[in-house]
Amino acid sequence: EVVLTQSPDSRSVTPKESVTITCRASQNVGLNLHWYQQKPHQSPKLLINYAFKPFSGVPSRFSGSGSGTNFTLTISGLEAEDAATYYCHQSYRLPRTFGQGTKLEI
Amino acid sequence: QVQLLQSGPGLVKPSQTLSLTCGISGDTVSNTDAAWNWIRQSPSRGLEWLGRTYYRSEWSTEYAESVKSRITISPDTSKNHFSLHLRSVTPDDTAVYYCARGSLGLDSWGQGTLVTVSS
Repeated sequence: EVVLTQSPDSRSVTPKESVTITCRASQNVGLNLHWYQQKPHQSPKLLINYAFKPFSGVPSRFSGSGSGTNFTLTISGLEAEDAATYYCHQSYRLPRTFGQGTKLEI
Repeated sequence: QVQLLQSGPGLVKPSQTLSLTCGISGDTVSNTDAAWNWIRQSPSRGLEWLGRTYYRSEWSTEYAESVKSRITISPDTSKNHFSLHLRSVTPDDTAVYYCARGSLGLDSWGQGTLVTVSS
């Protein structure tokens, strides 16, 4: 199974700051890495698919990069509404797996 | 716009079967570009993929090894939904269960159902 390890586990940030979350895969997943945002008591929402493609309607301050085993999600110019937990997810191999999550407090 | 609506009980007794349904609007379960997934989330396990069903030229299902002996995911084309059945549940199966469409990533999710396994 592909293990996804995110860092940091949590971070406290201020509005307008920029933050980068990393996701490291235990084996090569190509570009088959996606990012989600989950707010309390809500379902996860897709932000970035295939490492760098913004999903429909996602604000431009969210961007993704990376390939193979190392990926990043960057949020530029944080807004209060970005307080959430962020997850990476790989769709390269079965079973599908998720990172442990990164909680952003704003 | 695809919407997924989950239904099913929130309380299941140990050793019984957990059954949930995911109704689909804005797409069809037999869409050959999509896969229909069940995922659960708990504090101890995080987000855990359970399995999926999809149609290409025939129906296929794939399951996580951790639940493979106890799980069935099945489509119903007449009702345009898909279901999860997890047998012989224990308190360790207590979690929020989600259905999700896999297309470009998991791009649509159900609202989530908290299922508690308790007598």
